[in-house]
Amino acid sequence: GAVVSQHPSRVICKSGTSVKIECRSLDFQATTMFWYRQFPKKSLMLMATSNEGSKATYEQGVEKDKFLINHASLTLSTLTVTSAHPEDSSFYICSAIGQDTGELFFGEGSRLTVL
Amino acid sequence: DQQVKQNSPSLSVQEGRISILNCDYTNSMFDYFLWYKKYPAEGPTFLISISSIKDKNEDGRFTVFLNKSAKHLSLHIVPSQPGDSAVYFCAARERDDKIIFGKGTRLHILP
Repeated sequence: GAVVSQHPSRVICKSGTSVKIECRSLDFQATTMFWYRQFPKKSLMLMATSNEGSKATYEQGVEKDKFLINHASLTLSTLTVTSAHPEDSSFYICSAIGQDTGELFFGEGSRLTVL
Repeated sequence: DQQVKQNSPSLSVQEGRISILNCDYTNSMFDYFLWYKKYPAEGPTFLISISSIKDKNEDGRFTVFLNKSAKHLSLHIVPSQPGDSAVYFCAARERDDKIIFGKGTRLHILP
């Protein structure tokens, strides 16, 4: 079945550094990918919608310059957390819509810990 | 192998009746279960959740039931309304906060 892979699954970094998280659709093409952040009360917050070949659409309140999203190909989107701070520590999840089926598939998330 | 399974890809229910969405899981270490609702072209939104120490959680028209011995949970929507037509994702949380999603069930509410 369709798989969305996120890498790395866990990352620890120092405050002030930048971290890149990859989201790949392994056996299907995805024109649209979504990035979410998980908050302590278990809810997912949609951060941005990423469309291949165009700029990401960010949700209100999400800093574009801090959370850089690039969707360079139909199988890869990246989220770069720039100048990370401890409050950016969270679980980041991506999902992708299959180009052919329109189904939505989730990655297994990436846990970011900023020291 | 899928740890969270939603075996019905779609479900049609008459408006006003009860919608029951089912979800099965295999990992006994899951400690929290969540349901998300997704409209076309939007990201999923959190709907309701339940801790593994409970067997029922109710919020308005939405009730989630958990049967740990059967590793099964269900979402009940009653009465079903046209705005409930969406894709519903079941998800489960492992103790390290990793969330595993099912593949979703598309609910159609018929007039």
